[in-house]
Amino acid sequence: AQSVTQPDIHITVSEGASLELRCNYSYGATPYLFWYVQSPGQGLQLLLKYFSGDTLVQGIKGFEAEFKRSQSSFNLRKPSVHWSDAAEYFCAVGASYNTDKLIFGTGTRLQVFP
Amino acid sequence: GAVVSQHPSRVICKSGTSVKIECRSLDFQATTMFWYRQFPKQSLMLMATSNEGSKATYEQGVEKDKFLINHASLTLSTLTVTSAHPEDSSFYICSASIDTSNNEQFFGPGTRLTVL
Repeated sequence: AQSVTQPDIHITVSEGASLELRCNYSYGATPYLFWYVQSPGQGLQLLLKYFSGDTLVQGIKGFEAEFKRSQSSFNLRKPSVHWSDAAEYFCAVGASYNTDKLIFGTGTRLQVFP
Repeated sequence: GAVVSQHPSRVICKSGTSVKIECRSLDFQATTMFWYRQFPKQSLMLMATSNEGSKATYEQGVEKDKFLINHASLTLSTLTVTSAHPEDSSFYICSASIDTSNNEQFFGPGTRLTVL
């Protein structure tokens, strides 16, 4: 069965520092992969997505993610974090080819110190 | 584009009453709508999937008689929490998809339900 693992429950970084949030997935074929951000009390906003093609995906707010099939990973990165990036980040994978369900990871809470 | 709204954003009700939450796709027709529940500091739990004009498909463990879903049109789905109890208090989020081939969903802002 498909699954998503986000190993880091909570990450703290200083403003201006680089960021990498980890995501590992389990899926038999080429997955559809997503990163969402959720600010307190808000719904989810799509940061970026990977369907096929270039394995380095650019998203909004300066985020990027790299799909690595050999490592079953889709890590999210940002070179310089801003205080407004503090939020909950969710990685998700499409459940299977013939359905539009998503399976979410447990999320990583990002805290940014000035 | 691809905006999803939810109403209300926050609702407080007494135990035993029913609460209806609306989910609308504002600028597109949604082939499928999804309802999620999110507990504090936890991930999203899919409750059900609904397609316009047909019965919703509920995930295992979700009571279909308690969480009634109606998908009356391609732009509107409603979730009714019947005979709500304090344990139903949660953050309910809906999403909608345009294309079933790529799993992309557009999320509403969520509804905070508090049952007293």
